[in-house]
Amino acid sequence: DIQMTQSPSSLSASVGDRVTITCRASQSISSYLNWYQQKPGKAPKLLIYSASSFQGGVPSRFSGSGSGTDFTLTISSLQPEDFAIYYCQQSYSNLITFGQGTRLEIK
Amino acid sequence: EVQLVESGGGLVKPGGSLRLSCAASGFIFSDYNINWVRQAPGKGLEWVSSISSTSAHIYYADSLKGRFTISRDNAKNSLYLQMNSLRAEDTAVYYCARVYGSGTYPLDYWGQGTLVTVSS
Repeated sequence: DIQMTQSPSSLSASVGDRVTITCRASQSISSYLNWYQQKPGKAPKLLIYSASSFQGGVPSRFSGSGSGTDFTLTISSLQPEDFAIYYCQQSYSNLITFGQGTRLEIK
Repeated sequence: EVQLVESGGGLVKPGGSLRLSCAASGFIFSDYNINWVRQAPGKGLEWVSSISSTSAHIYYADSLKGRFTISRDNAKNSLYLQMNSLRAEDTAVYYCARVYGSGTYPLDYWGQGTLVTVSS
């Protein structure tokens, strides 16, 4: 299976900060990388697919980049509603896998 | 509006069985691959299984070791997950999620989840 490793596991930041979350795959996955946001008690929500393409309705402060094995999710200016858990997911393999998640907390 | 609604969760004893359902609406169900993803309490997301639009291609997480069976009925716009020989570690919220049909096949719509608790 392809292992996905996110860093950091948790992050404290303030409203207005720029934050970056990293996701690394155990082998090359081209651009088959998707990002999700999950808030407490809710289902995950697709933010970014194909490493850098926006899902409809996602604010432009979110951006994704990378290819191969290394990917990043950046939030340019944190808003109160952005405090959540973020997951990366590879869809290169038929056996899809998720990163362990990054918890973004208010400082 | 795309909707996925899971049902069938509940409390079951270790070694027992349970069948989850996912009712789809608001899109042409037979055109889309669908996945099951679970989340143990306080833990991350774990992919469980996927099924193609025609049921021709089915995949499972290695950790399940043949205990779970995914199926679908396109005439009823429904997805199923038959879970046998349940263990305490299968306790989780189970989500069904639609696969967006192009690009990198992300999971673009998710249900609200159904909780399965395995305990004596």
